Formats: sequence, C-alpha cells, structure tokens
Amino acid sequence: ETGVTQSPTHLIKTRGQQVTLRCSSQSGHNTVSWYQQALGQGPQFIFQYYREEENGRGNFPPRFSGLQFPNYSSELNVNALELDDSALYLCASSSISGPYEQYFGPGTRLTVT
Amino acid sequence: RKEVEQDPGPFNVPEGATVAFNCTYSNSASQSFFWYRQDCRKEPKLLMSVYSSGNEDGRFTAQLNRASQYISLLIRDSKLSDSATYLCVVNRYHDSGTYKYIFGTGTRLKVLA
Repeated sequence: ETGVTQSPTHLIKTRGQQVTLRCSSQSGHNTVSWYQQALGQGPQFIFQYYREEENGRGNFPPRFSGLQFPNYSSELNVNALELDDSALYLCASSSISGPYEQYFGPGTRLTVT
Repeated sequence: RKEVEQDPGPFNVPEGATVAFNCTYSNSASQSFFWYRQDCRKEPKLLMSVYSSGNEDGRFTAQLNRASQYISLLIRDSKLSDSATYLCVVNRYHDSGTYKYIFGTGTRLKVLA
C-alpha cells in the first residue's frame, strides 16, 4: 500500500451544498495533488499544494479550493456543488524535489443529487 | 485534441498472449512519463516509469520515443490478473515552477481464460 489515506470513502450531497475531503500524504512526501476522475475518464488535475500553498492549478473554478497543513496533509473543499461534480476525487502525494512519481490514495467517491 | 491520447480499447486477449499499448502526447516540454494501472473503482497504482532507454520489469516493457512523442507498454505472457485499465501519464511543466500530471483516458485490457 502507498500510505496515502483519504476520508471519507463515499459521500452523498445535494446540489448547492459544500463538501470537504481529506487526505494524508505518504511519509516523507511534502506535496499533495488533487484530481477529479469522472466515469470512463482519466483523472483531471485540480491543484497541487506544497509548503501549505497552492502550487499550480488546473481548469477548475474557484469554488474548488484547498488547504495543506504543516504535517503535509490536505483538504479539498468544493462549494455550491453541481451535479457534474459527481466523481471520484483522488489525492496523490509526492516529493517536490523528485523523483516525480505520485502515489494515490483510495479516493473519495462523491455523488451529488 | 487531447494532450495525451490512448486507444480506449477494450483489448480482449487470451491468457499467455502478448499485448502492446500505445500513447501519444502533444506537448514537447513533457519531462517524465509513467504507466499506471487502475482496477475498477480503485485508485491508479504506479506500474512503471518510462525512460528514453526503455525499461523492463518482469513481463512489462516500456519504451519512450521523444522524437515521435510516443510511449508504449508491452505485456508478455498475459495473466488474468493483468485485466485492468492502463493509464498513460505525462508529467510536464505547468506554471510557477510546478509540474503536473496529464493523464490519458486509459486503455482497458481484459485477459480471457
């Protein structure tokens, strides 16, 4: 196993609500990246956190936000949920100084109704 | 056109067969390359990094052709347990000194008894 953990494993929310997903990175890794994976698609990069700051962002609106804590764990927050936000949310940990392999947690499956 | 393209398959092959997957990428600034394996409703797991010199890990061989912007994965002596989706991943410069993973949509492999 990778040592990357995520919680919760499943979540059901209604449109317009807000959600917080959590991730603990692998020991020795200082960078956390978040991805959204819709059914039948590859994961899409949301953003990356390093040294408690956002360190790169994909094409996601500002209602997707995050945090990283001093122990390198991270949160993904999504406000004003939309039906299309239903997906598997993955976090991955890595080291900013390389090698650049990323190791994924088991994901949180979010369903928005 | 997607930045990382893969044939979605499915590839249905008999046990013991050799199967090859290809992947092309469009951004020549891409730095590093990987193959991940993803089982149904699970997280992606790193299968192998891909180097210009080619690399092999047991029954798996990966090749990178930077001139043609092409990555391949060869699986020899396929096992039933190889059935999964294989994701091609490119790591490239994003902005503000960061790199990000770009995933293909994945190629589905089913190994038949």
